[in-house]
Amino acid sequence: DQQVKQNSPSLSVQEGRISILNCDYTNSMFDYFLWYKKYPAEGPTFLISISSIKDKNEDGRFTVFLNKSAKHLSLHIVPSQPGDSAVYFCAASLNYKLSFGAGTTVTVRA
Amino acid sequence: GAVVSQHPSWVICKSGTSVKIECRSLDFQATTMFWYRQFPKQSLMLMATSNEGSKATYEQGVEKDKFLINHASLTLSTLTVTSAHPEDSSFYICSARDLRQGGYEQYFGPGTRLTVT
Repeated sequence: DQQVKQNSPSLSVQEGRISILNCDYTNSMFDYFLWYKKYPAEGPTFLISISSIKDKNEDGRFTVFLNKSAKHLSLHIVPSQPGDSAVYFCAASLNYKLSFGAGTTVTVRA
Repeated sequence: GAVVSQHPSWVICKSGTSVKIECRSLDFQATTMFWYRQFPKQSLMLMATSNEGSKATYEQGVEKDKFLINHASLTLSTLTVTSAHPEDSSFYICSARDLRQGGYEQYFGPGTRLTVT
């Protein structure tokens, strides 16, 4: 069963605007959450993470929000840049093993 | 820091042969590495956890006799696909836990594209 879900397969955003990617999970035992960026035929690149005991983590243009009661997290990218066009995966950790969502393809329009 | 390499980046082999894929952590020691596979337009699926000096643990549905994992040192894990068949064609990616960062973040290699003809 899919414990981590990214319900939006794609997102198109104009350069300079905010990109908001969403992720839902079902297992309340997950204790750490991560976002990865991936290009075709390459391995995922780590972007940002958040512990389950926090509700926000910020790193430059990237901010991750965690709502434990709703089992929901989101990634905000602002401002969006053309180089941000890629597939973004949400991942949740349990005993250091990651479960991935299906990914969201982000396209940043000039 | 936290660089992981994989070799080869792509390989084509004939059905029935075996293929070995190497995963190395270049600038840190990794007691734990992970092996994933990704089918086209799908997510990454964890195959197994590779622990230095001990046997790998496999996820449900993954044949341990078909996907042999060896983690002989703190910087190297290998995945051998034995008696490969066309359905084993996939993108295989390894990752390593970086304990310097607390251990939750996994850093991924660039992946290996395996094509079995």
